[in-house]
Amino acid sequence: QKEVEQNSGPLSVPEGAIASLNCTYSDRGSQSFFWYRQYSGKSPELIMFIYSNGDKEDGRFTAQLNKASQYVSLLIRDSQPSDSATYLCAVNMGGYSTLTFGKGTMLLVSP
Amino acid sequence: EPEVTQTPSHQVTQMGQEVILRCVPISNHLYFYWYRQILGQKVEFLVSFYNNEISEKSEIFDDQFSVERPDGSNFTLKIRSTKLEDSAMYFCASTPGLAAYEQYFGPGTRLTVT
Repeated sequence: QKEVEQNSGPLSVPEGAIASLNCTYSDRGSQSFFWYRQYSGKSPELIMFIYSNGDKEDGRFTAQLNKASQYVSLLIRDSQPSDSATYLCAVNMGGYSTLTFGKGTMLLVSP
Repeated sequence: EPEVTQTPSHQVTQMGQEVILRCVPISNHLYFYWYRQILGQKVEFLVSFYNNEISEKSEIFDDQFSVERPDGSNFTLKIRSTKLEDSAMYFCASTPGLAAYEQYFGPGTRLTVT
């Protein structure tokens, strides 16, 4: 069974803090990893993708991948109230192009 | 910036009726997908489509479902005889393909089966 696991939260952080979101996946052969942001009632919006071990930075966002531990994370620096949303981890598993999603972590950033 | 578009935004139908959900993928993308999200649950893969044929499908995508690319721009999902449990948000996504795997989602169609 191919699984992507996330803590459902909510993760509450004050404005300006760093938010750390985590994800584990079951398929050791997975190659591509994605973070989506989903506001309530809206569609998933791609914010980061990472294919290689290590860190990848884009503005306030940093994705971290550790394939040996089957772990991927997303750091959001200088969190803003507008970052309050559910963050979905998605993985291409088993060599297929389809995405397997986690249930998402709700992030709440308080002013 | 190019976007995936979907119509209608909300569809209400009676159980047993056929519905067609429409999507226009990003124009130079090669792979197309349908996903669904039941309220409060995770996003689930339904089907992927490449080169005018289904490349993968999930267990959810049974004989009641079909997909079609009737012309060079539209990509449709048909549900032949809707059930109450088909009520969900349906998302279309597309990806450039050719070693670019990022999938971009449309705004979704909320399907309500009564």
